[in-house]
Parts: sequence; C-alpha cells; structure tokens
Amino acid sequence: DVKVTQSSRYLVKRTGEKVFLECVQDMDHENMFWYRQDPGLGLRLIYFSYDVKMKEKGDIPEGYSVSREKKERFSLILESASTNQTSMYLCASRTSGAGRSYEQYFGPGTRLTVT
Amino acid sequence: DAKTTQPNSMESNEEEPVHLPCNHSTISGTDYIHWYRQLPSQGPEYVIHGLTSNVNNRMASLAIAEDRKSSTLILHRATLRDAAVYYCILRDVTQGGSEKLVFGKGTKLTVNP
Repeated sequence: DVKVTQSSRYLVKRTGEKVFLECVQDMDHENMFWYRQDPGLGLRLIYFSYDVKMKEKGDIPEGYSVSREKKERFSLILESASTNQTSMYLCASRTSGAGRSYEQYFGPGTRLTVT
Repeated sequence: DAKTTQPNSMESNEEEPVHLPCNHSTISGTDYIHWYRQLPSQGPEYVIHGLTSNVNNRMASLAIAEDRKSSTLILHRATLRDAAVYYCILRDVTQGGSEKLVFGKGTKLTVNP
C-alpha cells in the first residue's frame, strides 16, 4: 500500500517563526502536493511538485515556499508564520503514470496552530 | 475552476444503500469524475473514478449520466465506518498548465445505527 507520512500530527508555533512541514511518500511517485484545509473553504492547493527540484504554485502560495531535493520528500516552509496560517495541512502524492486519472494518496495531516 | 455541486449533507441508515449525487454541468469531454472521501481526523482517500461508463470497485459504484453532467456515488450497504465527507471532483488546470484536483465542500454523510 502507498504510504504518505507527515512529520507531525499537531504543531504549535509562534508568530514570526520559520516552520517546516515534512512529507514523505514510499511509492516512488513523481508528483507531490501540499494543501491546506479550513472550515467552510474545503481543500485548497498551496504548491505542488511534478518532479525533483520542480515546483509550481497552486491557488494560495502566498506566505509559503516548498523544497523537493529528493523524490520521496516534499517540504512546505512558512518563512514567517502568521496567525492566518493556522490550519490543517495535507500532503498528497500521485504517480505521473496514472494517465488522465488523478488518484492522489493523502497523508494524515498536520494541524498547525500559530499563536 | 471546474465546478461541482453536491448537497451539503445526507443521512442514511446502516445496512441501507446510499446514493450521493453530484452535478458537473461544465465538464469537458476528457475530464474524469473522481470521488474521494474524508473520514474524521484523516486525510482524504480515493474512492472511485470514471469517464463515461458506470464503474464498480470494492468500495462503491459510480453511475454516470449519459450526458455526463451528473453522477451518483453508490454505497450499496452503508456502515457506520462510511460516515465521512464525500467529495465529487473534476480535474482542472493550473495557470502553469499542470493538472490539479479542485475539492469543493463535499457532502457530509451521517450513518445512523
């Protein structure tokens, strides 16, 4: 089975701190994604990476950056955390060989609170 | 963004079939229809997808209208573990030309014992 793991289930950080959220997948998937999920807004795509060192902005990239140095690992970085970045963060991966099907595998999520 | 419309919530009784509707009137001819669900305190999980024909797998069935403007996810015998938010999703394209999924608000399914 595909496994997508995230470094923390719960995280509390202070305003202005630099925050790293890590995601690792074990199925050699080319594509990886970072979403945030907020009540009433659903899941929104922050960034995704279609291969090592390749990235593309999603719908809400402001205030975030990403890093993908190895195929299995995709990191989301909050350069200076703010209270409006308090949210559930979800990582996902997908093989690029899935054709026009778009099956993504999600991690369990990291609930980040910025105080 | 490609749009889907789903009821906010639905209720079912355990052991009974559940039909979750989705409207996607702006679907293009090559778009797959995907369904995901999200159990409480978990990330979303893939349920099923289809293009034109009805599809079955171990989790559910997907019935697609002939004009493809709507679809229905069918859970044949609901269990308490099926209580989740169900998302009907179309593929979309980013500004950079890459593909992405667009998650709406989904349907919250409550299963009564």
